[in-house]
Amino acid sequence: AQSVTQPDIHITVSEGASLELRCNYSYGATPYLFWYVQSPGQGLQLLLKYFSGDTLVQGIKGFEAEFKRSQSSFNLRKPSVHWSDAAEYFCAGASGGFKTIFGAGTRLFVKA
Amino acid sequence: GAVVSQHPSWVICKSGTSVKIECRSLDFQATTMFWYRQFPKQSLMLMATSNEGSKATYEQGVEKDKFLINHASLTLSTLTVTSAHPEDSSFYICSAQRTGDYNEQFFGPGTRLTVL
Repeated sequence: AQSVTQPDIHITVSEGASLELRCNYSYGATPYLFWYVQSPGQGLQLLLKYFSGDTLVQGIKGFEAEFKRSQSSFNLRKPSVHWSDAAEYFCAGASGGFKTIFGAGTRLFVKA
Repeated sequence: GAVVSQHPSWVICKSGTSVKIECRSLDFQATTMFWYRQFPKQSLMLMATSNEGSKATYEQGVEKDKFLINHASLTLSTLTVTSAHPEDSSFYICSAQRTGDYNEQFFGPGTRLTVL
């Protein structure tokens, strides 16, 4: 069965430190992959997406993600976290026109 | 481009009443729209897939008679929560796919429903 897994329910990082949020997928073929961010009480904002080509994808707000086929992963990274990055982050996958599958989400806390 | 709006952004209603939530694609046509429900601190749960001009497809466990979906045009889908009860209180999010693009969704800002 198709699935998207975010192993970390929550992560705490210090402001200015680097960040990596993990995402693993299970699909028959390489899916389209997405990272979204959600602030409390808000909808989802697309950070970046991977369809094909370059495996290192640049997104908005200084985020990037790397697609690794051998590890079935699509981890999100940011070199220096800002307090405003505190939010819920969702990884998602879609393939062949089927419905998008979301991971459970990772809550990011940023400490001063 | 690719903006999706929802109205209202929040609504409070009495138990037993019906509430309609609108989802609009503002600058593109959307043959397919999706309705999600999100409980506090949880991920999005797909409720139904709405296709313009046809009946919605509901996910298992979602009562189609309680959550009525209408997708009457290429830019508007509505979700009506009928005879709402406190357990229907939740955050409802819609998304839309551009006609011809089947793998990317654009999300609305969500609607907070509170049933008293």
